[in-house]
Amino acid sequence: AQTVTQSQPEMSVQEAETVTLSCTYDTSENNYYLFWYKQPPSRQMILVIRQEAYKQQNATENRFSVNFQKAAKSFSLKISDSQLGDTAMYFCAFMKPVRIIQGAQKLVFGQGTRLTINP
Amino acid sequence: GAGVSQSPSNKVTEKGKDVELRCDPISGHTALYWYRQSLGQGLEFLIYFQGNSAPDKSGLPSDRFSAERTGGSVSTLTIQRTQQEDSAVYLCASRRRTGKETQYFGPGTRLLVL
Repeated sequence: AQTVTQSQPEMSVQEAETVTLSCTYDTSENNYYLFWYKQPPSRQMILVIRQEAYKQQNATENRFSVNFQKAAKSFSLKISDSQLGDTAMYFCAFMKPVRIIQGAQKLVFGQGTRLTINP
Repeated sequence: GAGVSQSPSNKVTEKGKDVELRCDPISGHTALYWYRQSLGQGLEFLIYFQGNSAPDKSGLPSDRFSAERTGGSVSTLTIQRTQQEDSAVYLCASRRRTGKETQYFGPGTRLLVL
């Protein structure tokens, strides 16, 4: 079974600083997907960024980028120029690829990192 | 277009009562998921629908939990004879069958069993 580990329960940085959230995972699969989701106090889970394991290039979305190290099974999230609105719980998640045989597309989540951006 | 919606937003019930939680996925999304988020267990997968069928029910914690989906759209998660350990946020997500693999989440239903 796949497992996802986020080793930082809480982090706090000043506004405009850069922060990196760690995530490691365990799988025997070669192709899969990795995600970072953000959950603000509103409870809405919002996709931040996704990475396909077969792509060597790290995904980027504006101020958000990942450092995907497939051999090390590491998938960290970097937030540049952090903003107050980035304050939220951040979840790393793993998903096997969609296949004809059903039942393999569920997300496996880490325990989350509570990130606070201070003014 | 509208996102995933869930109702009710919050539900307080007494131990032993039955509850129904509703999810309206994004229009055209054939895959639908239920997850549970609790303090002790984090985010757990409950059940997956493709169309109206549920090929993966492996996450349902007991036979008190059931779910159905009708018309390939709305899904209802039912918890019978609720227990205090059922208190959690229940999240629904949907995904297109083809193309991007991203699951889009609703705002969740917070269930409190007294």
